[in-house]
Amino acid sequence: QKEVEQNSGPLSVPEGAIASLNCTYSDRVSQSFFWYRQYSGKSPELIMSIYSNGDKEDGRFTAQLNKASQYVSLLIRDSQPSDSATYLCAVMENTGFQKLVFGTGTRLLVSP
Amino acid sequence: DAGITQSPRHKVTETGTPVTLRCHQTENHRYMYWYRQDPGHGLRLIHYSYGVKDTDKGEVSDGYSVSRSKTEDFLLTLESATSSQTSVYFCAISESSGTGGNYFGEGSWLTVV
Repeated sequence: QKEVEQNSGPLSVPEGAIASLNCTYSDRVSQSFFWYRQYSGKSPELIMSIYSNGDKEDGRFTAQLNKASQYVSLLIRDSQPSDSATYLCAVMENTGFQKLVFGTGTRLLVSP
Repeated sequence: DAGITQSPRHKVTETGTPVTLRCHQTENHRYMYWYRQDPGHGLRLIHYSYGVKDTDKGEVSDGYSVSRSKTEDFLLTLESATSSQTSVYFCAISESSGTGGNYFGEGSWLTVV
């Protein structure tokens, strides 16, 4: 079973700051990476996907991928209290049928 | 909105009874998944389907079976529920070739007493 590691947090940042969430993975041949946001008692929501090395920006979110270091991160600029949630990193296995392996998530707290 | 409906949303059942959770999708996606989510373990894949009557096991399939007789419905059955199966169960779909991210239903909270 491939592994995806995240710091469980909580990561506390003040409103307006940049939140940086990190994820490492063990499968060197993985090609597809995803970030999900999950509010307490709700289902995970896909917010970012990234497939190539470098940065991918979408609004206040930037995903960063470094395949050589097996590292993917999510930056949230101008953090808002509404961003307080658990962020799940997911990596697609590259063996046979392509399935996602999830990290256990990082809890983010944005204080007003 | 990926058009996924799970039922029941909440259920309390007794140990040893069979339980079936239903996942219904309205957008004709080929790939469907069942996950469970537990504190400290994150989301773990139970079973998945890549077409009608085409299913396979995931990471934590023991004690679970699935069926998919129609594209739109993917059923998860606990043959004889145990307390260790108390969890939140999420159904998900994947668009196109299955290489993109999963889109999740609202979840089914199951308590086995």
